[in-house]
Amino acid sequence: DVKVTQSSRYLVKRTGEKVFLECVQDMDHENMFWYRQDPGLGLRLIYFSYDVKMKEKGDIPEGYSVSREKKERFSLILESASTNQTSMYLCASSLGLAGGGNEQFFGPGTRLTVL
Amino acid sequence: AQSVTQLDSHVSVSEGTPVLLRCNYSSSYSPSLFWYVQHPNKGLQLLLKYTSAATLVKGINGFEAEFKKSETSFHLTKPSAHMSDAAEYFCVVSEKLGGYNKLIFGAGTRLAVHP
Repeated sequence: DVKVTQSSRYLVKRTGEKVFLECVQDMDHENMFWYRQDPGLGLRLIYFSYDVKMKEKGDIPEGYSVSREKKERFSLILESASTNQTSMYLCASSLGLAGGGNEQFFGPGTRLTVL
Repeated sequence: AQSVTQLDSHVSVSEGTPVLLRCNYSSSYSPSLFWYVQHPNKGLQLLLKYTSAATLVKGINGFEAEFKKSETSFHLTKPSAHMSDAAEYFCVVSEKLGGYNKLIFGAGTRLAVHP
């Protein structure tokens, strides 16, 4: 089974802190994704990566950056956390750039609270 | 651009009665469609997917969905609800962006199952 793990289930940070969220997958997937999930809005894509050291902006990249130094690991960075970044963050991975229907496998999520 | 509309934000059923979660999509071509489920404090799990094969798709835990192109719908059904079905359900459409498949999520439907 594919396993996607995230470094923390719950995280509390203060405004202005730099925050790192880590995600690791164990199935040699090329693609990795970071979403945030807010009530009534579903999941919104922040950034994704289709290869090591490659990244693409999603729908809501402002205030975030990412790093992918190894194929299995994809980090989300909040350079200066703000209260409006309080949310559930979900990491996902999938196989490469094949045609439609590629399933994404999700981690358990990190609930981040910024005070 | 593609989009997904889940017509009900909350659905409540009694145990043993049928479940219907409604989803409409907009797409300029034949889409790939998914239903994911999220149990409390868990990541998203794929229930089923449609990728232009049979229009009636069977998934895990007794769920199924029917792709109706004329109605642009992909409603999720289950003949008999179980208490363990209480969760949030997301209808998702896959959008091609060059060689990459982006997932567009609906806002979610929270299913409550009463004894």
